[in-house]
Amino acid sequence: DGGITQSPKYLFRKEGQNVTLSCEQNLNHDAMYWYRQDPGQGLRLIYYSQIVNDFQKGDIAEGYSVSREKKESFPLTVTSAQKNPTAFYLCASSITGGRNEQYFGPGTRLTVT
Amino acid sequence: QKEVEQNSGPLSVPEGAIASLNCTYSDRVSQSFFWYRQYSGKSPELIMSIYSNGDKEDGRFTAQLNKASQYVSLLIRDSQPSDSATYLCAEGGGTSYGKLTFGQGTILTVHP
Repeated sequence: DGGITQSPKYLFRKEGQNVTLSCEQNLNHDAMYWYRQDPGQGLRLIYYSQIVNDFQKGDIAEGYSVSREKKESFPLTVTSAQKNPTAFYLCASSITGGRNEQYFGPGTRLTVT
Repeated sequence: QKEVEQNSGPLSVPEGAIASLNCTYSDRVSQSFFWYRQYSGKSPELIMSIYSNGDKEDGRFTAQLNKASQYVSLLIRDSQPSDSATYLCAEGGGTSYGKLTFGQGTILTVHP
């Protein structure tokens, strides 16, 4: 089955710790994205990557970092510099050069206390 | 800063009625428009894409695009309780190629 997987589904961390969220896709998509969703709000773009070894900041990149060493994988690190890290994190992918239809993984719910 | 605004909710309709969800966008050169459905606690699911002015129908769903008015809508005919969800409007292309900008979502409740 083709799709996007994110792990873990739920993640709990203490304030001051860095945490890495996993995102893997087997859709052969070139582009991958990370969004953050807070309760009652839409999605805000954190980082995106349209090709391996290249990525761009989205609208709210501060306190986050990413890497894109493989086409299939786009992990997101939430650093201790992120002031309000508790949120629902969503990874998406799409083909490039098309209409940018993005497909989402199941998400990771991060709680930092 | 590009903006996508959705009609304020929540929206409540009786089963069998037509639900109308509306969205306006600020980027005049936007090319692609999408509607996502998000059930509580789940990730968004793409249900409709529209790129040209006019209507696009898929089963009980109809998307309507008016680029002159910078307006896109989603009609759900014969609404079912299973349609109860948050609907997200998104636009892409235009001045921010490769990115989507999402609205804040409209909560729809279909009551039996």
